[in-house]
Amino acid sequence: GENVEQHPSTLSVQEGDSAVIKCTYSDSASNYFPWYKQELGKRPQLIIDIRSNVGEKKDQRIAVTLNKTAKHFSLHITETQPEDSAVYFCAASKGAQKLVFGQGTRLTINP
Amino acid sequence: GAGVSQSPSNKVTEKGKDVELRCDPISGHTALYWYRQSLGQGLEFLIYFQGNSAPDKSGLPSDRFSAERTGGSVSTLTIQRTQQEDSAVYLCASSFRDRGEAFFGQGTRLTVV
Repeated sequence: GENVEQHPSTLSVQEGDSAVIKCTYSDSASNYFPWYKQELGKRPQLIIDIRSNVGEKKDQRIAVTLNKTAKHFSLHITETQPEDSAVYFCAASKGAQKLVFGQGTRLTINP
Repeated sequence: GAGVSQSPSNKVTEKGKDVELRCDPISGHTALYWYRQSLGQGLEFLIYFQGNSAPDKSGLPSDRFSAERTGGSVSTLTIQRTQQEDSAVYLCASSFRDRGEAFFGQGTRLTVV
């Protein structure tokens, strides 16, 4: 079955700098790749997703890139702010099969 | 419309007792997941229901854990003979069949004393 690896497990950046979180997946047939943000004590919430027919998607300060050949995708956050501090999870799935999550990245934005 | 609803929000139980956790998915969502999250940890997959297909139970940690989904809607996760290591937040999520995007409930915080 699908396996998703996420790196790094923790990331600390200065406010205003960029943050990049990377994930690799094992099943080349996977076609849906969401990213979730989980703030302390809250539920995970979808922040951006990408499907396999596109290579990049942006939404204000966040973007996701997908390299199908290498089977990896990345989350990019620019101009980081304190409210970006959270745990971020990537995931992958294909068709109606279950979402498989990465292990999570704890992002800390230092003022 | 309402999101994914879980009940209870918090549950404290004595070791050895059985507990039932409930999840009401978003109306029309055919897929339903249960995850477990220990403090500061990731999302541990437990079970996945998709329409009328046989559920994927590959994540259930022991035979003390079981789940059912009645009428393709509400789901109940049952933990028998609870142990202290079962203490965690149990999260439910639902999605449309082929859409992929999963919406999470607020979770049930289970404490076994």
